[in-house]
Amino acid sequence: AQSVTQLDSQVPVFEEAPVELRCNYSSSVSVYLFWYVQYPNQGLQLLLKYLSGSTLVKGINGFEAEFNKSQTSFHLRKPSVHISDTAEYFCAVRPFSGSARQLTFGSGTQLTVLP
Amino acid sequence: DGGITQSPKYLFRKEGQNVTLSCEQNLNHDAMYWYRQDPGQGLRLIYYSQIVNDFQKGDIAEGYSVSREKKESFPLTVTSAQKNPTAFYLCASSAQEGGSMKTQYFGPGTRLLVL
Repeated sequence: AQSVTQLDSQVPVFEEAPVELRCNYSSSVSVYLFWYVQYPNQGLQLLLKYLSGSTLVKGINGFEAEFNKSQTSFHLRKPSVHISDTAEYFCAVRPFSGSARQLTFGSGTQLTVLP
Repeated sequence: DGGITQSPKYLFRKEGQNVTLSCEQNLNHDAMYWYRQDPGQGLRLIYYSQIVNDFQKGDIAEGYSVSREKKESFPLTVTSAQKNPTAFYLCASSAQEGGSMKTQYFGPGTRLLVL
C-alpha cells in the first residue's frame, strides 16, 4: 500500500516570494507522482507529473517539482508566486504496477498568497 | 473541446431520497472514477470502472451505486443508505499511457447538500 504525506496543511506566502510545498510518500514499489491544484469550488487540475526520465519536472503556471527517490519526496516549487496561485494543492502517487484504481492522495496544502 | 462534465453543480437531497450525479466525458477514456472530498481532507475513492459494463468498489462504496452502460458516461447514485452524503463529489477519467492507466483528469465537481 502507498501513503502520501503533505507536511504543511497551510502555507501563507507574500506575492512574488518563492514557495515550496512538501510531499513525501511511502511505497514498497516504484511509483508515478502527480501534483494537482484545486481552486475554490472547482475540480482538480493536473499541474505536473513524473512518469520517468529527468527527475526535475516542469508543469503549468511556472511550477516545477523534483523527484528524490532516496528521500521519497516530490516537493513542488515556484520561484515567484502570484495572488492567482492561491488554491489547494494535492500530491498523489500511483504504483508502476497494479490496477487502474491505485491513485493515493495526500490531504492537501492550502497555499495563500498575500499582497 | 474535450473534457469531463459533471451535473448539476449543486444538488440538494431530502432525507430518504436517492439522487443521481451525472458524469460525462468525450475524451475517449476507458477508465472512470468517482471520488468524495470532505473539507480539509484528500480524495477518497468511491467506485471506479475500467471498461464498459464493469466497475469495482473503492474505499467507501457503502451507500453508493454506479452503472457504466456507455464508455462516456458513469453516473453515481447516492442512496438513502448513505447517512452522511454532504460532500463535494469529483468524477475523473484516464486513458492508457504506455500500457497502463496513469494520469487521471478531473471534472468540475458536484456539491451535494442535505436538506
